[in-house]
Amino acid sequence: DVKVTQSSRYLVKRTGEKVFLECVQDMDHENMFWYRQDPGLGLRLIYFSYDVKMKEKGDIPEGYSVSREKKERFSLILESASTNQTSMYLCASRIRTAKTYEQYFGPGTRLTVT
Amino acid sequence: QQQVKQSPQSLIVQKGGISIINCAYENTAFDYFPWYQQFPGKGPALLIAIRPDVSEKKEGRFTISFNKSAKQFSLHIMDSQPGDSATYFCAAGDYKLSFGAGTTVTVRA
Repeated sequence: DVKVTQSSRYLVKRTGEKVFLECVQDMDHENMFWYRQDPGLGLRLIYFSYDVKMKEKGDIPEGYSVSREKKERFSLILESASTNQTSMYLCASRIRTAKTYEQYFGPGTRLTVT
Repeated sequence: QQQVKQSPQSLIVQKGGISIINCAYENTAFDYFPWYQQFPGKGPALLIAIRPDVSEKKEGRFTISFNKSAKQFSLHIMDSQPGDSATYFCAAGDYKLSFGAGTTVTVRA
């Protein structure tokens, strides 16, 4: 059974703080993703990593960066948190195969920036 | 600009009824059309998916209908049950997915 875990379920940070969101998957998946989920907007891709140390910007990368030093771990970094980054953050992973594009999601981290 | 448009935003259906959610996409290069189901406090989980070479796919009470020429696809939930109450997201793409805004389905007992 694929398991994607995220370091925190709830996080409260102050404006201007540096914030780290951690995601770990246990299925040796090459691809990992960070999304943010907002009501009425669905899931929007922030960054994508297709393998270790490889990354690609998604649709809304501004204000975020990522790090992928090990295959199982993908970190999302908010360099200077702002109130408009208050959101639910979802991590996902998938195995690189031609047969399926299925992504497996973690439970999410609800981040509040005050 | 949202590449996948989903409607309705929410719907209420009686137990045993049919729930229908519609999605439209822009990019004709999209190769994979999944539906994800999300319960409160959980991440989305794949429910059912279809490729563009097939017009319909059925898994149990869940059916995807796909219209390539109209660039539209829909999810039908037959014999809706209270346990189906969740938020449903359509998506389109390939190794990267564009998601719709989501539909909250409430099934009344």
